[in-house]
Amino acid sequence: ETGVTQSPTHLIKTRGQQVTLRCSSQSGHNTVSWYQQALGQGPQFIFQYYREEENGRGNFPPRFSGLQFPNYSSELNVNALELDDSALYLCASSPPGQGVEQYFGPGTRLTVT
Amino acid sequence: GQQVMQIPQYQHVQEGEDFTTYCNSSTTLSNIQWYKQRPGGHPVFLIQLVKSGEVKKQKRLTFQFGEAKKNSSLHITATQTTDVGTYFCAVSGGGSQGNLIFGKGTKLSVKP
Repeated sequence: ETGVTQSPTHLIKTRGQQVTLRCSSQSGHNTVSWYQQALGQGPQFIFQYYREEENGRGNFPPRFSGLQFPNYSSELNVNALELDDSALYLCASSPPGQGVEQYFGPGTRLTVT
Repeated sequence: GQQVMQIPQYQHVQEGEDFTTYCNSSTTLSNIQWYKQRPGGHPVFLIQLVKSGEVKKQKRLTFQFGEAKKNSSLHITATQTTDVGTYFCAVSGGGSQGNLIFGKGTKLSVKP
């Protein structure tokens, strides 16, 4: 196992609600990336946090936001949930630098009804 | 933006047969990574290729990076049921801390 943990494992929300997902990175890793994986697709990059600052963002609207804490754990917040937000949300931690291996957590399965 | 095309989308093989998945880019890549995701699981890093023409082996898995650094392949010799899963290639998205752009993956099923 990678040492990256995520909570909760599963979540069911109603359209329009807000959700917060949590991730604890692997020891020694100061970079956390969040990905959305729809069924049958590859993970899509949402954003990345490095030393508590957002450090790159994919093609996701502002209602997707995040935080990184001093211990490098991270949160992903999604406001005004839409049905299309139903997906597996993956957190990945990595040591600093480009082209480094990313260690994925088990993911949070979000269902929006 | 950066994109990678991965083929085939699905591959069904008999146990013992070989399997290959291909990843192609229209631009030169600095590096490429391969991940495996078991059904119901999360992506797990397999390997990273950096050098032009590089070939790396892990037991029955052989990874290649094209001479022009625009394509890569993963070949599995004599598949086993434990090889079942989706194999993704991933390339750097260009961010300063290395976010990844994933292909759509090749889903491998193995019939015993």
